[in-house]
Amino acid sequence: DTGVSQNPRHKITKRGQNVTFRCDPISEHNRLYWYRQTLGQGPEFLTYFQNEAQLEKSRLLSDRFSAERPKGSFSTLEIQRTEQGDSAMYLCASSARTGFSYEQYFGPGTRLTVT
Amino acid sequence: AQKITQTQPGMFVQEKEAVTLDCTYDTSDPSYGLFWYKQPSSGEMIFLIYQGSYDQQNATEGRYSLNFQKARKSANLVISASQLGDSAMYFCAMSLQNTNAGKSTFGDGTTLTVKP
Repeated sequence: DTGVSQNPRHKITKRGQNVTFRCDPISEHNRLYWYRQTLGQGPEFLTYFQNEAQLEKSRLLSDRFSAERPKGSFSTLEIQRTEQGDSAMYLCASSARTGFSYEQYFGPGTRLTVT
Repeated sequence: AQKITQTQPGMFVQEKEAVTLDCTYDTSDPSYGLFWYKQPSSGEMIFLIYQGSYDQQNATEGRYSLNFQKARKSANLVISASQLGDSAMYFCAMSLQNTNAGKSTFGDGTTLTVKP
């Protein structure tokens, strides 16, 4: 069990550029989640997948954000035309049902800085 | 909508003593799970403990226990015998347990500092 991995760990980009992040979940987990975390706050839900289906997308997520999970394995999160307000830590988590619990296991995150 | 409130921005505890981190929640759904996560300065969120809304007993995992008071809608984390390595940010979270749920709503966290 290698855990959830995310790449890159850090990304610095100029305003207006597009960025893409990758998340590789724990292999047997069918659910994958994306969260955004800003300094001093808890993670904020962005979207989640069950296998390859995107089941929910936060209303806070603008049209500049898109996520995919082809074949139900790894996932990508793309931000188009980045803005300074997009600077945050982007966290990926995966889970599998254990009884009634969907406890989530998080990756190390991708820290995005938009200059 | 679900809401998690953590009213203690920062807490201090002496090494080897116990500490309680407060968490209250709000939901109208009867079926939910409550979680606590630890986030050290390295940034990775680490799952600590889970409590289901229908569980009769409070959850325990090693030095961690969850004081679940359903009527008060509280789910406080108790850490016994604090260690220096427990210094971190702690988040309380909730998720619904219906079929298409699983996403978590997090509080804003409590920073715990363990003093030697």
